[in-house]
Amino acid sequence: DQQVKQNSPSLSVQEGRISILNCDYTNSMFDYFLWYKKYPAEGPTFLISISSIKDKNEDGRFTVFLNKSAKHLSLHIVPSQPGDSAVYFCAATRFTGTASKLTFGTGTRLQVTL
Amino acid sequence: KAGVTQTPRYLIKTRGQQVTLSCSPISGHRSVSWYQQTPGQGLQFLFEYFSETQRNKGNFPGRFSGRQFSNSRSEMNVSTLELGDSALYLCASSEGSNEKLFFGSGTQLSVL
Repeated sequence: DQQVKQNSPSLSVQEGRISILNCDYTNSMFDYFLWYKKYPAEGPTFLISISSIKDKNEDGRFTVFLNKSAKHLSLHIVPSQPGDSAVYFCAATRFTGTASKLTFGTGTRLQVTL
Repeated sequence: KAGVTQTPRYLIKTRGQQVTLSCSPISGHRSVSWYQQTPGQGLQFLFEYFSETQRNKGNFPGRFSGRQFSNSRSEMNVSTLELGDSALYLCASSEGSNEKLFFGSGTQLSVL
């Protein structure tokens, strides 16, 4: 049972445009959400996170939106750059204040074209 | 600070063998988690160790085990390897006080 779903396996966006990556979850106990980026032959790197008490969190070109009623979150990258080409994983957990298990989606491969 | 280090980088084993993977966390990090990544399945949580104690466990069979040493280094062991165990095994460390994980580059295990 996939509790975190990324239904788009791939996405292609032109440089300078907005990239929107989507993620849905089914477990209503999840209250903390993270996005990770992964380049080939490297481990995932943390991008941005959001708590369920917020509906938006911004960090430079990256913004995460959370819609709790729809159990949906999205990552916006504006403007997209060629270096953003990577696999993006959405992850969710029930926040306990300590590192606990993250449930990941299957990832979306973003390609930013010139 | 040095990042999370995993060894070996690549490993080839045959069915029925056992394997041990190693992870050195970022200095000062006391929590180490292990994840399995397979195509189409994303990252699946295996277990988490904090101060030498298993604090959390995923839904993997008992063939998968781990431990953590007093210096926070961790090892993961898989016994009686099966073809389906072929995957990228990722180790992540954190301070233990938040959910932000720092991942290593992983060990790519191939079971023939």
